[in-house]
Amino acid sequence: DARVTQTPRDKVTEMGQEVTMRCQPILGHNTVFWYRQTMMQGLELLAYFRNRAPLDDSGMPKDRFSAEMPDATLATLKIQPSEPRDSAVYFCASGSYTGSLFHGYTFGSGTRLTVV
Amino acid sequence: DAKTTQPTSMDCAEGRAANLPCNHSTISGNEYVYWYRQIHSQGPQYIIHGLKNNETNEMASLIITEDRKSSTLILPHATLRDTAVYYCIVRGLSGNTPLVFGKGTRLSVIA
Repeated sequence: DARVTQTPRDKVTEMGQEVTMRCQPILGHNTVFWYRQTMMQGLELLAYFRNRAPLDDSGMPKDRFSAEMPDATLATLKIQPSEPRDSAVYFCASGSYTGSLFHGYTFGSGTRLTVV
Repeated sequence: DAKTTQPTSMDCAEGRAANLPCNHSTISGNEYVYWYRQIHSQGPQYIIHGLKNNETNEMASLIITEDRKSSTLILPHATLRDTAVYYCIVRGLSGNTPLVFGKGTRLSVIA
């Protein structure tokens, strides 16, 4: 089965450090999503891209978070500077659309981030 | 997206059918019902989706009421590996509409 690959699997960092999370979407998928999951808030949508262009990043704290797709095989989510409240599991998902027809999402295994 | 209401938790005996309800009374005519599940420490996994007809695949069946205000996900023979949080999501087919997750139902399958 095709998979969405996320790296690193786990990351522990000190407050104030830069964190970069990477996602390799499924080949041929043209839409990429970033979600964050905590016990308190559940799964929250941070941002998503279509054909590498950002469609919506309103769920992201703009002052410290940034999301990019440098090419079709890589999406990145950066936090600079990181804070303890950013501790969460970050999921990437990819999906495909043909016109308005939605073909479903596939999620990666997530990056568990701990900021101390 | 239309709001959905699900029970917080449910138990099911192993080998029995698990019936997970979802209310979506404000669903509009072009919105689908999607079900995903999340097994501990994994990313959410697609199960099934439907518009108004009942749907079945290798994982589950989806029963949608005639007025489309509620639905039930059925796992016909639950196993311990089906223990997970199950999310019911209502979403249009528009390419610009992402999945928005609620709290879901925590299903515990008991031996």
